[in-house]
Amino acid sequence: GAGVSQTPSNKVTEKGKYVELRCDPISGHTALYWYRQSLGQGPEFLIYFQGTGAADDSGLPNDRFFAVRPEGSVSTLKIQRTERGDSAVYLCASSSGQGDSPLHFGNGTRLTVT
Amino acid sequence: SQQGEEDPQALSIQEGENATMNCSYKTSINNLQWYRQNSGRGLVHLILIRSNEREKHSGRLRVTLDTSKKSSSLLITASRAADTASYFCATDASSGSRLTFGEGTQLTVNP
Repeated sequence: GAGVSQTPSNKVTEKGKYVELRCDPISGHTALYWYRQSLGQGPEFLIYFQGTGAADDSGLPNDRFFAVRPEGSVSTLKIQRTERGDSAVYLCASSSGQGDSPLHFGNGTRLTVT
Repeated sequence: SQQGEEDPQALSIQEGENATMNCSYKTSINNLQWYRQNSGRGLVHLILIRSNEREKHSGRLRVTLDTSKKSSSLLITASRAADTASYFCATDASSGSRLTFGEGTQLTVNP
């Protein structure tokens, strides 16, 4: 597609449930990023993939959060045992991975944990 | 923790006026980027300035970088109502590493 696609656009789940958020990057982009954004705040880094491997996962808040990118394209962010504090907009971005190439963001998935 | 801090947090101006937003950061950087975000949407890249550059222009945008003060400014000239959005600065410590975003400036341009 022309841009980064994230699904679903909205997700409401109950506390304690498991959720998966999907990101389709721009075709050919080797770098993929996940960020989390709370209302009125800037995006907070979670994890960065270069190809299939996680190059930097230091932003994942705890072991309930996990992300995969098995074929170096689509990525899934997985959150186990969701808590109300996980409610936020989860943003995915991709880049060509070359030099200082800019990030291209999707419109995000708004996660609400009730 | 956020590397960049934007100032002001909110800015309201009239169409045609110039808007200036500032960003400060704490550690050494490879480059600094500015992004724009409309409500409910993802961020859009505006401009990148490298650590060895002092000023850069793109259309109505002018970015400056002062590495000795660890600060940058974004100037939007002749603002339009369509410029209403949140503006974020972002830094990376090395080429290809993660970007760290600031808290943003909410710009409102009144018609």
